[in-house]
Amino acid sequence: SQQGEEDPQALSIQEGENATMNCSYKTSINNLQWYRQNSGRGLVHLILIRSNEREKHSGRLRVTLDTSKKSSSLLITASRAADTASYFCATDANNQGGKLIFGQGTELSVKP
Amino acid sequence: GAVVSQHPSRVICKSGTSVKIECRSLDFQATTMFWYRQFPKQSLMLMATSNEGSKATYEQGVEKDKFLINHASLTLSTLTVTSAHPEDSSFYICSARDRNYEQYFGPGTRLTVT
Repeated sequence: SQQGEEDPQALSIQEGENATMNCSYKTSINNLQWYRQNSGRGLVHLILIRSNEREKHSGRLRVTLDTSKKSSSLLITASRAADTASYFCATDANNQGGKLIFGQGTELSVKP
Repeated sequence: GAVVSQHPSRVICKSGTSVKIECRSLDFQATTMFWYRQFPKQSLMLMATSNEGSKATYEQGVEKDKFLINHASLTLSTLTVTSAHPEDSSFYICSARDRNYEQYFGPGTRLTVT
């Protein structure tokens, strides 16, 4: 499969809790990106982390990248009901002309 | 930020007909555009890479004669689903890459084939 792996496939938490999603990939990358998608809607770009970066923050989002393990994690702190969505990682692999390969996604449900 | 539009946003067609989906970069030039397909409850699967002025590069398993891609200008790529069948019903999403290699996604087109 061209896709990476994400876990968990589904995650249900209470508002205020933190949510952690993991992504593993197979090849050397230029960067890794995280996207959110509400049901039936388009993608929202959350954050991009380059291969020479280890951690990046944006508001309540924290992304880590471990290129030795070919894995990344997305942490959403103090979750809100509005964070309910599917979250995808996507890798921009070396020498692939910029095409993004998406992970299988994590379906996050935040209960009020 | 850069905007990518798709038209139509939603289309219903009869089995056997062809459907054209447009992807436009509204405020930047895109030498490369990408087409993805997403089935319900699944992730995005890359279908093809579209380069302006040249033939598209299709991913393994994607029929190039069924999914015709034309990247006629630096702001427009089209995907034509020929002789559509119900199994082609899906959410089709394009993305466009600017000269800084930043990639922007369109809002998607929901295709339903009856």
